[in-house]
Amino acid sequence: GQNIDQPTEMTATEGAIVQINCTYQTSGFNGLFWYQQHAGEAPTFLSYNVLDGLEEKGRFSSFLSRSKGYSYLLLKELQMKDSDSYLCAVIKSNTGKLIFGQGTTLQVKP
Amino acid sequence: DTGVSQNPRHKITKRGQNVTFRCDPISEHNRLYWYRQTLGQGPEFLTYFQNEAQLEKSRLLSDRFSAERPKGSFSTLEIQRTEQGDSAMYLCASSLDGTRNEKLFFGSGTQLSVL
Repeated sequence: GQNIDQPTEMTATEGAIVQINCTYQTSGFNGLFWYQQHAGEAPTFLSYNVLDGLEEKGRFSSFLSRSKGYSYLLLKELQMKDSDSYLCAVIKSNTGKLIFGQGTTLQVKP
Repeated sequence: DTGVSQNPRHKITKRGQNVTFRCDPISEHNRLYWYRQTLGQGPEFLTYFQNEAQLEKSRLLSDRFSAERPKGSFSTLEIQRTEQGDSAMYLCASSLDGTRNEKLFFGSGTQLSVL
């Protein structure tokens, strides 16, 4: 089976840094994705990690530790428009299908 | 390339009725996935296709649910004898072939409300 955990809600201040954690227990792990989703809209791709370490892309970074079953998404210089849901998802080997966590709703306040 | 397209965007139906949703994936994508999402939850996997072959169905997919991809292009998801518990967002996603862990591209979903 698989189990993916991330906090349900987080609040942060505009201009600050926020870290959204994700832990997973799954067989056939073949990489981890982060998606962003605005209410009522399609999830959109943010990042993909398959090797341990940090992947940086502008204001967003994602980290993976396979031995610990742990990832985080780091958002810097927060903007009000970053208020969204952030989904952690593990990809199952050979199928390409993603198994999602419940998502973290981030609220950015002035 | 217009991305993954889903129709309709919204569907309101009465309990017991049948509904059908359509998904048009990105044209060169061989893999097509259906997910269901309820408020405050992440998408739950339902089923996926490699071209026209349906390779896996989740246990979440009861006998009332059926999905097809007859020509390996668009797909339909039908729910028979809808129940209020079927109310959810139904998301479709596609990827090139799934063997190299390409990211999934999602459609905007069909929001189903069963009254």
